Amino acid sequence: AQSVTQLDSQVPVFEEAPVELRCNYSSSVSVYLFWYVQYPNQGLQLLLKYLSGSTLVKGINGFEAEFNKSQTSFHLRKPSVHISDTAEYFCAVNPNTGNQFYFGTGTSLTVIP
Amino acid sequence: DTGVSQDPRHKITKRGQNVTFRCDPISEHNRLYWYRQTLGQGPEFLTYFQNEAQLEKSRLLSDRFSAERPKGSFSTLEIQRTEQGDSAMYLCASSPGVDTDTQYFGPGTRLTVL
Repeated sequence: AQSVTQLDSQVPVFEEAPVELRCNYSSSVSVYLFWYVQYPNQGLQLLLKYLSGSTLVKGINGFEAEFNKSQTSFHLRKPSVHISDTAEYFCAVNPNTGNQFYFGTGTSLTVIP
Repeated sequence: DTGVSQDPRHKITKRGQNVTFRCDPISEHNRLYWYRQTLGQGPEFLTYFQNEAQLEKSRLLSDRFSAERPKGSFSTLEIQRTEQGDSAMYLCASSPGVDTDTQYFGPGTRLTVL
């Protein structure tokens, strides 16, 4: 069985400060890993994904994430956030033997001016 | 706009009524997925189609829920005899037939059951 844990439900951060959103997963098989962002009244948008290869993945809007197999983590980072980054962020796993995506409960990022 | 579209965006209904939602995936995407998202939760898988075939269905999906994709293009999700617990955002996503690892989501249909 697969599960995804996002450890922080809400993260407030000041503008231009760095941020890390944490994601841990459990799976009995190897997985693909994703971060999606959901802006108010919009659909989920892919930020970045890890399929294989380099464990440091760069995505859109200056975000990056690092896959750590030993710690089963896929934390999302940005060195300097903007007001426009205020949104809900979801970590997801896709067992590469199946077609379902398993999502975490989300982290609400609020950037404070 | 060539993204995934959903209709309607909002639906308010009374308990016991039937509702139907439509999803138009990105053209040439073979796979189509339905998810449900309640407040404070991540999307929860409901079902998925490969072309017109419904290949997987969540055990959480009650018999009141049915989905179709008759011509392998758009899909409909019907909920019969709605209950207040059905109130949620219903999301549709599609992915290409070859590169199936990434799903592209629509804006969702928000259902409120009174």
